[in-house]
Amino acid sequence: DAGITQSPRHKVTETGTPVTLRCHQTENHRYMYWYRQDPGHGLRLIHYSYGVKDTDKGEVSDGYSVSRSKTEDFLLTLESATSSQTSVYFCAHRGVGAGEAFFGQGTRLTVV
Amino acid sequence: TQLLEQSPQFLSIQEGENLTVYCNSSSVFSSLQWYRQEPGEGPVLLVTVVTGGEVKKLKRLTFQFGDARKDSSLHITAAQPGDTGLYLCAGTEAAGNKLTFGGGTRVLVKP
Repeated sequence: DAGITQSPRHKVTETGTPVTLRCHQTENHRYMYWYRQDPGHGLRLIHYSYGVKDTDKGEVSDGYSVSRSKTEDFLLTLESATSSQTSVYFCAHRGVGAGEAFFGQGTRLTVV
Repeated sequence: TQLLEQSPQFLSIQEGENLTVYCNSSSVFSSLQWYRQEPGEGPVLLVTVVTGGEVKKLKRLTFQFGDARKDSSLHITAAQPGDTGLYLCAGTEAAGNKLTFGGGTRVLVKP
């Protein structure tokens, strides 16, 4: 158990609706990350957080926002979902330094 | 263009053969990691390298970090079907705390 859970695990939503994905960790790690994974692209960083209320953009942040009001929770919001946001979303947490990143099991999001 | 470029994207080999996966960048990394991912699961760490020129061995897997800390390689000796999976390199740049991944190399080892 990596001490990190994502919810929901699967979601189907309609174009134009808002969607929030939740990531919860129990390890009190400082750094948390949201990635999306699409065929042929590996993992692409959407946003990351380096502390409560401290977040920064990754390489594919357009159309996404995040919030971190508590150490243990990192929320990813799609304000108005589009079909191009159909993907598998992974959350990860990591301690300070070159430590291992621990991943959740992913959320498969389909926008129809 | 991704910060970390992995090659090849796909490798299919017979059991017992050797293989090498490369991870290259124009940026300097304070550390570089290799992960392996199974279908339906999140990536799991194999190794972290932090010193330029460092070589680490994990059973039949050998990892090398380039002298300039811009590239890395993963070599598997006498591959087995259990080595099949998606291999991902990931780096933390010297100036920040982003963890950036390469595009991945899908390895298939046929019995």
